Amino acid sequence: AQTVTQSQPEMSVQEAETVTLSCTYDTSESNYYLFWYKQPPSRQMILVIRQEAYKQQNATENRFSVNFQKAAKSFSLKISDSQLGDTAMYFCAFILTQGGSEKLVFGKGTKLTVNP
Amino acid sequence: NAGVTQTPKFRILKIGQSMTLQCAQDMNHNYMYWYRQDPGMGLKLIYYSVGAGITDKGEVPNGYNVSRSTTEDFPLRLELAAPSQTSVYFCASTRGGVGTEAFFGQGTRLTVV
Repeated sequence: AQTVTQSQPEMSVQEAETVTLSCTYDTSESNYYLFWYKQPPSRQMILVIRQEAYKQQNATENRFSVNFQKAAKSFSLKISDSQLGDTAMYFCAFILTQGGSEKLVFGKGTKLTVNP
Repeated sequence: NAGVTQTPKFRILKIGQSMTLQCAQDMNHNYMYWYRQDPGMGLKLIYYSVGAGITDKGEVPNGYNVSRSTTEDFPLRLELAAPSQTSVYFCASTRGGVGTEAFFGQGTRLTVV
């Protein structure tokens, strides 16, 4: 079974500091992408960053970066210079391609609070 | 750009009633998904579709049905609503192809009493 595990239900960080959210996954597929989505209180899901499993270089998007460890099946998100607007639920997800079909699978999420 | 549109935003159902959650996308995406989000449980896949006329079950399909008669629309049908179906429901779509971004609707908060 393909699963995504986020072991930190809640985290908090002071404004301007750095925080890392953890994610591990389990799949037998070799071709997949990993994603971090943000869900602010508005409930709208927003893509934060994505990583291709075949790429060794970690993805970076402004203050957001990932630490992708393929052998360990780990995909953590680092948020630098945290801002109040980063307060949200963060979901780790991956998309599998199987027999021409795709499925998008999510973890349970981590609730991040950025404190002033 | 409308993106993914879900209706209604909120609904209260009585046990045993039925309803259809509507989802429409205007991006010509092949793939569409329905998820439910329970508190502390993340998003669980109910059904998904890889194109018009093709649907498949996700993790938690029991109590739900879907259809995909057009590329744009992917309605989710609840028959005989139960309190366990109280949740927030999200529809999403992707163009298809590994790595493509998923676009989500605003969600439907459903309460079954």
